[in-house]
Amino acid sequence: KQEVTQIPAALSVPEGENLVLNCSFTDSAIYNLQWFRQDPGKGLTSLLLIQSSQREQTSGRLNASLDKSSGRSTLYIAASQPGDSATYLCAAPDNYGQNFVFGPGTRLSVLP
Amino acid sequence: DGGITQSPKYLFRKEGQNVTLSCEQNLNHDAMYWYRQDPGQGLRLIYYSQIVNDFQKGDIAEGYSVSREKKESFPLTVTSAQKNPTAFYLCASSLQGVALSYNEQFFGPGTRLTVL
Repeated sequence: KQEVTQIPAALSVPEGENLVLNCSFTDSAIYNLQWFRQDPGKGLTSLLLIQSSQREQTSGRLNASLDKSSGRSTLYIAASQPGDSATYLCAAPDNYGQNFVFGPGTRLSVLP
Repeated sequence: DGGITQSPKYLFRKEGQNVTLSCEQNLNHDAMYWYRQDPGQGLRLIYYSQIVNDFQKGDIAEGYSVSREKKESFPLTVTSAQKNPTAFYLCASSLQGVALSYNEQFFGPGTRLTVL
């Protein structure tokens, strides 16, 4: 059964720092992996979708990489800003490829 | 604007009542999903539907029911059989419910249900 974990559970950094969030999954036969952002009391916003044939995807200051062989994905945030403060979740397909399994999230605080 | 809408934003239920949460999408997506989110926990799948008139149970379906009579709509009913329904409920959709590399999931704003 697919399991998704995220490290660290929480992270606090000063504004301007570059940072890396980690996502691990147990079943490497995935066809994509998705990163989301969630603000308190809100729904999830899709940040990046990495297809299985891709190694990374970029959107503005965000860069996500995917290493299927090691069962890992990282989300790199460059030049962090207070507005980046949120919970970041990753999701990978389940073993049947029909649904998505979510990690518990990393709660990020960027201090001004 | 294309997207997913959920209503109401806040819902209060007395014990023993059934309540229905609305989810509508105008993205022309085939697949729709309901998740439950509790503080400090990840999202857990309640039900999903890959196509109209078809749906399957997720990991925590007990005490919940759904219908999928229209492509755009996937309402969730929280029945009195659900013992601990207080949570944040999220609806999502994706283009298809099959293993496609470009199959991206999109979420609605959520409904917070509180049992009084």
